[in-house]
Amino acid sequence: DAMVIQNPRYQVTQFGKPVTLSCSQTLNHNVMYWYQQKSSQAPKLLFHYYDKDFNNEADTPDNFQSRRPNTSFCFLDIRSPGLGDAAMYLCATSREGGYEQYFGPGTRLTVT
Amino acid sequence: DQQVKQNSPSLSVQEGRISILNCDYTNSMFDYFLWYKKYPAEGPTFLISISSIKDKNEDGRFTVFLNKSAKHLSLHIVPSQPGDSAVYFCAASRNFNNNDMRFGAGTRLTVKP
Repeated sequence: DAMVIQNPRYQVTQFGKPVTLSCSQTLNHNVMYWYQQKSSQAPKLLFHYYDKDFNNEADTPDNFQSRRPNTSFCFLDIRSPGLGDAAMYLCATSREGGYEQYFGPGTRLTVT
Repeated sequence: DQQVKQNSPSLSVQEGRISILNCDYTNSMFDYFLWYKKYPAEGPTFLISISSIKDKNEDGRFTVFLNKSAKHLSLHIVPSQPGDSAVYFCAASRNFNNNDMRFGAGTRLTVKP
């Protein structure tokens, strides 16, 4: 089945220690998104890639970076995680011009 | 600035009855609306959508109603089943361009047998 895969499902990192979350897709979708979701809150879009074009949300902290080396993979790098960055991170994809987003299961990040 | 609001964090309904989940939005530029369903330990999955040129869209037991003047949409599930128990997210975007989709905080629906 075509799908969106996120690894790891659970990640524990120390305060200030860089961490990378990964996302891969077998849907061959042009667009990939990263969302941050804190408990009982709406998923918040951090940025998205339209093919290789990177689009940052205005309020996404500089601490968050992303890489998309090819169509299938996208990475979220948190350069210096703070306690406030503990959250569920959701990756999603969509077709060019499509309207449905397909989500991965998420990575729950804990910062100690 | 939360542009999409789901004011009820939870809803409990008896099996067989109707579930009504509500969503309000503030941005009049939104013209495409979606509902996603999320089970524990899984990502949200698309459920049903509606564009602003319609006021109703139906898919089996699920119907979405849009009231543009009130900036309000609702999801009706009839009849509700225990397997419908999940968190439901409302989302909105502009111009069929979901690159700027905004989500509500979700409503947890519990359907009791």
